[in-house]
Amino acid sequence: GQQLNQSPQSMFIQEGEDVSMNCTSSSIFNTWLWYKQDPGEGPVLLIALYKAGELTSNGRLTAQFGITRKDSFLNISASIPSDVGIYFCAGQYGFNKFCFGSGTKLNVKP
Amino acid sequence: EAGVTQFPSHSVIEKGQTVTLRCDPISGHDNLYWYRRVMGKEIKFLLHFVKESKQDESGMPNNRFLAERTGGTYSTLKVQPAELEDSGVYFCASSLDSNYGYTFGSGTRLTVV
Repeated sequence: GQQLNQSPQSMFIQEGEDVSMNCTSSSIFNTWLWYKQDPGEGPVLLIALYKAGELTSNGRLTAQFGITRKDSFLNISASIPSDVGIYFCAGQYGFNKFCFGSGTKLNVKP
Repeated sequence: EAGVTQFPSHSVIEKGQTVTLRCDPISGHDNLYWYRRVMGKEIKFLLHFVKESKQDESGMPNNRFLAERTGGTYSTLKVQPAELEDSGVYFCASSLDSNYGYTFGSGTRLTVV
């Protein structure tokens, strides 16, 4: 079945630094999503990507849908303490079904 | 608009006991999903309801898991009897459309001891 490899597993960075994380797969996906999960909460959608090669920004977040449709990256610029959380990528396959990565845990030191 | 609501937020039960998780989706969302995240791993699909019908239950681990959505509103996920490996966070999500991702609930953290 579909599987996403998300990296890195965790990151410890200083406030103000830029962050990059990515997901790769051997499978092709129709849509890529990036979610953030705060402690004790459910994942919240950050960015959705619908076309291969698409580059989309949401404030300090930028994500790209890989041209091969098998990968995506998420960048966060000028990180702040509230960026702390777990970031998940998700690829859509089939009817409204998503395969999630194992998450990237981001820690930001003030 | 109320979000997706899950009850309870935490549950600690002994191996062999039964637990029932509940999910109230966003009003009007026909699509309801159950997902599970075992510690440190990916969020894995369990099943998908469209209204009261099971559209896809290919992710259900085994027959100890039973999901229902009577009347097409809230859903329950029952684990009977619970095993240690069932521990994890169970997320419910709902959506109107297939192309805009889900709205997740805050999850139920299940611990089987």
